[in-house]
Amino acid sequence: QSALAQPASVSGSPGQSITISCTGTSSDVGSYNLVSWYQQHPGKAPKLMIYEVSKRPSGVSSRFSGSKSGNTASLTISGLQAEDEADYYCCSYAGSSTPYVFGTGTKVTVL
Amino acid sequence: EVQLVESGGGLVQPGGSLRLSCAASEFPFSKYWMHWVRQAPGKGLVWVSRMNSDGSSISYADSVKGRITISRDNAKNTLNLQMNSLRAEDTAVYYCVRESFYAMDVWGQGTTVTVSS
Repeated sequence: QSALAQPASVSGSPGQSITISCTGTSSDVGSYNLVSWYQQHPGKAPKLMIYEVSKRPSGVSSRFSGSKSGNTASLTISGLQAEDEADYYCCSYAGSSTPYVFGTGTKVTVL
Repeated sequence: EVQLVESGGGLVQPGGSLRLSCAASEFPFSKYWMHWVRQAPGKGLVWVSRMNSDGSSISYADSVKGRITISRDNAKNTLNLQMNSLRAEDTAVYYCVRESFYAMDVWGQGTTVTVSS
């Protein structure tokens, strides 16, 4: 199972919106509405930001939203803030034998 | 507070073994599927293994299959990872993770495994 493809870096100014893509295949992203997104600050454990493509866990800002089209999922951060600067990873369910595959990760920089 | 605390990491020589443990607290551990996810230095997250709530269903990444065994003790709220025949490429921070709605909603702080001579 290959890692899902994400851009290495995305940047934006405070207040702007940015979108991170996550491209898989018909065996993972394309087959299941089970994409999740994680935020990781340096030296910290990842934090769940989005699950089941577009649902937000309790406590996660509404500035974070998710979507999916075909084999590509996306995470949009609206009203970018300095605290959003972090690494972001997507993850998709991929079936029972090798159930999960992560994305390659995207470094978000707030200019 | 819902918490996962890993232990057991350290420095081990290539070919050696290590057993990681994860202590869960403040949630009904026996009802949840659990995972191990690792992150090599400066690299991305990689899923390693999963066990269902009663231990009857297990999955492994191809990269660790045959060398790593996941187990759990629901009476002690503990998840374990026995790692054998360790290689330099197994060097990573290993996270214990809870699954909910096909997502990984609670993460431990991680334990570091270094494989080096």
